[in-house]
Amino acid sequence: GAVVSQHPSWVICKSGTSVKIECRSLDFQATTMFWYRQFPKQSLMLMATSNEGSKATYEQGVEKDKFLINHASLTLSTLTVTSAHPEDSSFYICSARERTAYSNQPQHFGDGTRLSIL
Amino acid sequence: DQQVKQNSPSLSVQEGRISILNCDYTNSMFDYFLWYKKYPAEGPTFLISISSIKDKNEDGRFTVFLNKSAKHLSLHIVPSQPGDSAVYFCAASAQRYGGSQGNLIFGKGTKLSVKP
Repeated sequence: GAVVSQHPSWVICKSGTSVKIECRSLDFQATTMFWYRQFPKQSLMLMATSNEGSKATYEQGVEKDKFLINHASLTLSTLTVTSAHPEDSSFYICSARERTAYSNQPQHFGDGTRLSIL
Repeated sequence: DQQVKQNSPSLSVQEGRISILNCDYTNSMFDYFLWYKKYPAEGPTFLISISSIKDKNEDGRFTVFLNKSAKHLSLHIVPSQPGDSAVYFCAASAQRYGGSQGNLIFGKGTKLSVKP
């Protein structure tokens, strides 16, 4: 159980293109989804927290107009990298936390999206 | 300032022996700790967690120990298997406070290699 699907797994595109990444919880409902970015040999850095039906909460230093997040349903969140540039090339990973009555619930991660901007 | 630290970037262990991965934290508000395992080009996989009201949690070959006074936790894998070779991330959150404080803070990871 607790499967999170992330699509696409790898994207290569030209500078200036906008790229949309989807994150789906397949067998559970997630009121909260998270978007991370990982640089080589670094830990996962939280970019934003996405709550179903409301605006995402962005971490300090993350441009909300650059990284658009939509959490339209309890099973889907999308991250759109607008007008991507080479410095946006990175590994983006989403996670989802199951909606339950228990306070301590782990986040379950997708397999990530390798974004390469030429 | 790193709130969660994994000071060993790598660890090499012989198959069948115990692997001990360590993690230190600085924020005393953290009350929930997790270990994730990550293979290259994949997302992290949840392994085991522990609440601050406990000092030990066991699941099969994996045991997590929490020492709150030392702000230290460790993951023990015994016996270690070649398939355990991966990067292990320690993560922490302050869940009882909710909001952004409930977000996970990750360490930089420790690469475990289990040799046959």
